[in-house]
Amino acid sequence: EAAVTQSPRNKVTVTGGNVTLSCRQTNSHNYMYWYRQDTGHGLRLIHYSYGAGNLQIGDVPDGYKATRTTQEDFFLLLELASPSQTSLYFCASSGGQISNERLFFGHGTKLSVL
Amino acid sequence: GDKVKQSPSALSLQEGTNSALRCNFSIAATTVQWFLQNPRGSLMNLFYLVPGTKENGRLKSAFDSKESYSTLHIRDAQLEDSGTYFCAAEKGGNYKPTFGKGTSLVVHP
Repeated sequence: EAAVTQSPRNKVTVTGGNVTLSCRQTNSHNYMYWYRQDTGHGLRLIHYSYGAGNLQIGDVPDGYKATRTTQEDFFLLLELASPSQTSLYFCASSGGQISNERLFFGHGTKLSVL
Repeated sequence: GDKVKQSPSALSLQEGTNSALRCNFSIAATTVQWFLQNPRGSLMNLFYLVPGTKENGRLKSAFDSKESYSTLHIRDAQLEDSGTYFCAAEKGGNYKPTFGKGTSLVVHP
């Protein structure tokens, strides 16, 4: 089973605050993803990457930056956090090859913006 | 509109009964994945499918790309099957899985 580790597990910040969510995968997967989960919306894709230095825009990117520093590490940055970004954030990875696109998720980060 | 629609949105089952969940796609999906989010919030990958069927214990899933739908059958439901089931579809190797809004399942004794 693929290992995807997120940190922190919980984070509380204030409006306008600066937040970085971290994700590390140790399975040499090419693709990494950041999703947010909100009641009534399911999981929505924020940003994703197919390798170090690469960034692709997802479906709900506004207010978020991301950076893939290595094959293993993918960060989500909220530079001016707003209450609308209160959510449960999941990181995921996949092999990124045909027939090897199975997604594996981390345990999630619960973010509250007051 | 939603590219991936799941039905029903909520379901209550008695232990030992069977049921089916469904996803309909408005995109030209080439692969489908099914996940279970347990009550603690962890997401577990149940199936990764190209067109066809797969079975794992009491779970069986089918994906018909021509008719743009996928199903997840649960046989002999157990209490530990409770949680939210999500399907995610991917179009033609774009490596951008799109999720449905989920089916919330409660299995009661």
